[in-house]
Amino acid sequence: KQEVTQIPAALSVPEGENLVLNCSFTDSAIYNLQWFRQDPGKGLTSLLLIQSSQREQTSGRLNASLDKSSGRSTLYIAASQPGDSATYLCAVANDYKLSFGAGTTVTVRA
Amino acid sequence: NAGVTQTPKFRVLKTGQSMTLLCAQDMNHEYMYWYRQDPGMGLRLIHYSVGEGTTAKGEVPDGYNVSRLKKQNFLLGLESAAPSQTSVYFCASNRGREQYFGPGTRLTVT
Repeated sequence: KQEVTQIPAALSVPEGENLVLNCSFTDSAIYNLQWFRQDPGKGLTSLLLIQSSQREQTSGRLNASLDKSSGRSTLYIAASQPGDSATYLCAVANDYKLSFGAGTTVTVRA
Repeated sequence: NAGVTQTPKFRVLKTGQSMTLLCAQDMNHEYMYWYRQDPGMGLRLIHYSVGEGTTAKGEVPDGYNVSRLKKQNFLLGLESAAPSQTSVYFCASNRGREQYFGPGTRLTVT
């Protein structure tokens, strides 16, 4: 059974600081890994998807890396802004099913 | 193109009552999923479907039933609601390996 862990559970940083969010998983036989953003009381917005054959994926200020052999992914958010405040969820795909971590709640202080 | 929609958005049930949550997608996706999200636990897969007329159990299927009579719709039923089923329910569908999520249904069972 795939287990996904996200550390830390919560993070508070001043505006402008770079964010580093960690995700680890126990079964390295994955198809892909997705990072989602969730605002309070809202649904999930897909940020980045990394295929199992890729090492990283970038979109604007966001960069996600994947190390399958060690079962780790890291989401970097450069030059954080108050609008980046949200919960970030990591999800790992085995077959067509996703296993989610519990998320990291980020607060960016103005 | 509405994406993934869910009905209703909110619902309060008394213990023992039944209800059906509707998920609809207009992207012609084969795969559809029902998840529940509880505080501090991330999302957990309840049931999923790999095509019209098919359903399969996920991680936490007990107390729920599903049906996929039409490709675009995936229904989640609670036959006899229990307080432990108080949660936020998300539906998702697949294109390739990336999942797209609906806005969620907040269900409270008293």
